[in-house]
Amino acid sequence: DQQVKQNSPSLSVQEGRISILNCDYTNSMFDYFLWYKKYPAEGPTFLISISSIKDKNEDGRFTVFLNKSAKHLSLHIVPSQPGDSAVYFCAASARGTYKYIFGTGTRLKVLA
Amino acid sequence: NAGVTQTPKFRVLKTGQSMTLLCAQDMNHEYMYWYRQDPGMGLRLIHYSVGEGTTAKGEVPDGYNVSRLKKQNFLLGLESAAPSQTSVYFCATSQGHWETQYFGPGTRLLVL
Repeated sequence: DQQVKQNSPSLSVQEGRISILNCDYTNSMFDYFLWYKKYPAEGPTFLISISSIKDKNEDGRFTVFLNKSAKHLSLHIVPSQPGDSAVYFCAASARGTYKYIFGTGTRLKVLA
Repeated sequence: NAGVTQTPKFRVLKTGQSMTLLCAQDMNHEYMYWYRQDPGMGLRLIHYSVGEGTTAKGEVPDGYNVSRLKKQNFLLGLESAAPSQTSVYFCATSQGHWETQYFGPGTRLLVL
């Protein structure tokens, strides 16, 4: 049973426009969420996180939104740049479990 | 300061052979993790460690063993490799559970 789902395997966006990546989860005990970016042949790198006490967190061009009632989070990238082309993973964790559950990833392609 | 390194980068095994993957970190982090990444599956946690001398099972531990004899090293062992263990293996470290995870570059393993 996939507890963290990224239902869009891929997304193409024009340079300068907004990219919106979505993530849904089923476990109501999850209280900490992260987004990672992964380039080919490299390990994932941390992008941004949010805890369940917040509904929004911003870091430069990246904003993560959390809707706890819908068990949904999204990553907004504004404006999108060609260098943002990568696979994006969301991950979730519940307090006390020491584990992160990852989604299957969304491949973002930003077209110049 | 190398961060997180993984050895080897690539390996081909025959079914039934054994091998050990090494993860080394120089960040003095307490937590270390082993993940595998398969197409369409995201990253799945194999085993993890919350400190020197401790290990625990993740989502997909069967067929793998781990050891954390030194704080800076986390070893992943395959006693009898199977084709189903063909994957890309990532090691990650963090200072604590709610801290950022830093990933190594990955080890690509092919079991024939």
